[in-house]
Amino acid sequence: GENVEQHPSTLSVQEGDSAVIKCTYSDSASNYFPWYKQELGKRPQLIIDIRSNVGEKKDQRIAVTLNKTAKHFSLHITETQPEDSAVYFCAAFKGGSQGNLIFGKGTKLSVKP
Amino acid sequence: DSGVTQTPKHLITATGQRVTLRCSPRSGDLSVYWYQQSLDQGLQFLIQYYNGEERAKGNILERFSAQQFPDLHSELNLSSLELGDSALYFCASSASGQDSPLHFGNGTRLTVT
Repeated sequence: GENVEQHPSTLSVQEGDSAVIKCTYSDSASNYFPWYKQELGKRPQLIIDIRSNVGEKKDQRIAVTLNKTAKHFSLHITETQPEDSAVYFCAAFKGGSQGNLIFGKGTKLSVKP
Repeated sequence: DSGVTQTPKHLITATGQRVTLRCSPRSGDLSVYWYQQSLDQGLQFLIQYYNGEERAKGNILERFSAQQFPDLHSELNLSSLELGDSALYFCASSASGQDSPLHFGNGTRLTVT
C-alpha cells in the first residue's frame, strides 16, 4: 500500500521567513496530493492540492511543487505570519476502486513574532 | 463550517463499553472516511465508504465497525473499549471518493476511563 513520509516533524521560523515541508510517497500510481492545516483542537482544513499532471501550483503565499519522477512533493509558505503556526499534513491519494487518502505524520510549524 | 456534522462532540465512557459515533456528510458528497487521531499523533485511516458500500479499509481494529446508510450518513461503532482507544475521531466526506478534496467534520473526542 501507499506510504507517505513527511519531514521535518517540527519547524520553527521567524516571522517573515519562508517555510518548506517535504513529503515522499511510495506508490507511483498516486495521483492527487492535498495539504491540510490543523490548528490545535480543530479539524484539518484543506489549504492547497495538486494533481499528478501539474508540477506546481500557487495560491497567494502558499505553493506546492510535485516531482513525479522522484515521488516527492513540497509545501512552500512565504512571508510567514504567526497565524501560520499549526500542524501541516501532506497526503497522497491512489486512485482506483480501492483508493484512499494516506496522510504523513505531520509537521508542527511555529512562527515566532 | 465544512458542512460535515459529527455527533457527539465529546464522549466519556468506561473500559469494556460500546459507543457509536455519527457522521453526516456534506450535501451531495457520496463518500465518507473515518480517521483516528491520538494525542500528538497523525491521522490514521480507518475505513472509507462510497454510496453505501465499503471502498477501502485501513488499520481498523476488529472491535471497530462502521456502515454507511441509504441517506449517506455513517456510523462508527467501537466496542470492548480500551484506554488506548481514547482519541479524536474525525469523519470526512468527499464528492466522489476519487481524487476530490476531503472535508473534515469537527471530530468526536472519545475518552475511555
